[in-house]
Amino acid sequence: NAGVTQTPKFRILKIGQSMTLQCTQDMNHNYMYWYRQDPGMGLKLIYYSVGAGITDKGEVPNGYNVSRSTTEDFPLRLELAAPSQTSVYFCASSYSGTSNTEAFFGQGTRLTVV
Amino acid sequence: KQEVTQIPAALSVPEGENLVLNCSFTDSAIYNLQWFRQDPGKGLTSLLLIQSSQREQTSGRLNASLDKSSGRSTLYIAASQPGDSATYLCAVPSGGSQGNLIFGKGTKLSVKP
Repeated sequence: NAGVTQTPKFRILKIGQSMTLQCTQDMNHNYMYWYRQDPGMGLKLIYYSVGAGITDKGEVPNGYNVSRSTTEDFPLRLELAAPSQTSVYFCASSYSGTSNTEAFFGQGTRLTVV
Repeated sequence: KQEVTQIPAALSVPEGENLVLNCSFTDSAIYNLQWFRQDPGKGLTSLLLIQSSQREQTSGRLNASLDKSSGRSTLYIAASQPGDSATYLCAVPSGGSQGNLIFGKGTKLSVKP
């Protein structure tokens, strides 16, 4: 099984440019998440979705947008890239939000804004 | 607000040693606790998931324990190998229905041949 797939793996953006980080999962999971990981820090939640058509902000949503039109896909949009958005971005999914739920992560997208 | 702390931040051991990684959390009302492994430049690989009703979970040379009342978990690695070198992260659910995880900053393990 492919699990959680993210594209691209690496990207360099200029300040002010926009891009979409793609995430897709083939496990029929309802819950999907976007995290960012900065050096020496734990992962922080950007946005999450509990099902198609439902999204909500996490801890650090400023500068990002998401959509969830299908169960499988959860793209993350950066509209006006800033150096503070240089980070590694991880997409994750889980079957539910509680109890006996294991989270699965993609391989990450390493983004540099210059 | 749930907070997760991992000690030590880095650990270097010779091959063959048994070792323990520590994780503590501030809110003991958790559904489960998950340990991950992260290789440099790679994603997170789930190692073990311990339910709140369990005290231990084992997979091969890995054994994770959970003590909810004291807010602690340990990851025990037996007979360490150079291939175990990676960063180990522990995470607990935030407590809300959204199910997101709260992560520690990780322990960077280096196993020397």
